[in-house]
Amino acid sequence: GQSLEQPSEVTAVEGAIVQINCTYQTSGFYGLSWYQQHDGGAPTFLSYNALDGLEETGRFSSFLSRSDSYGYLLLQELQMKDSASYFCAVRDRNTDKLIFGTGTRLQVFP
Amino acid sequence: EPEVTQTPSHQVTQMGQEVILRCVPISNHLYFYWYRQILGQKVEFLVSFYNNEISEKSEIFDDQFSVERPDGSNFTLKIRSTKLEDSAMYFCASSELLGNQETQYFGPGTRLLVL
Repeated sequence: GQSLEQPSEVTAVEGAIVQINCTYQTSGFYGLSWYQQHDGGAPTFLSYNALDGLEETGRFSSFLSRSDSYGYLLLQELQMKDSASYFCAVRDRNTDKLIFGTGTRLQVFP
Repeated sequence: EPEVTQTPSHQVTQMGQEVILRCVPISNHLYFYWYRQILGQKVEFLVSFYNNEISEKSEIFDDQFSVERPDGSNFTLKIRSTKLEDSAMYFCASSELLGNQETQYFGPGTRLLVL
């Protein structure tokens, strides 16, 4: 089966940089995705890593290392609106399931 | 920008009653999904649907659940006899492609409360 572990909570101040880690155990997957979810809202796609390395999208970057079964989401120049939960997710190569990680709640303080 | 829509936004029902949650996926998408999120927990896959049939389902998706695409736009999740533990947020999602190129777009969710 698939399992993805994340820290439950991270706090930071405005303007700072924060890294949210995701470690996974999987029998095979296409790539690692990251989703943002504000309280009461729907998950929103942020980024996707099909290959090892760093993908940059504005203030957000995502990294994948398949050999280490590890990825992270890097958020720079933090803003208050970045306070949300962040989930890593993988799609199992053998099924249609998108498996979400345990989620990390990010709180940004002034 | 196209978006996934869901109705109702909130549903309160009595235990044992049937509920139907409705979704309108993005129009050119081919793959449809239902997910569940119990308050404070992670998003859990329920079922995926492609070409008018279920392509994958989780252990949660037992005989009380069913999905249907009754017409060219709607995608529904039916819970036949609701239980207290079915109380959760239910998200519909759709994607244009599968696998390596996939991005899933989520609807705003239906909050179901079973009393």
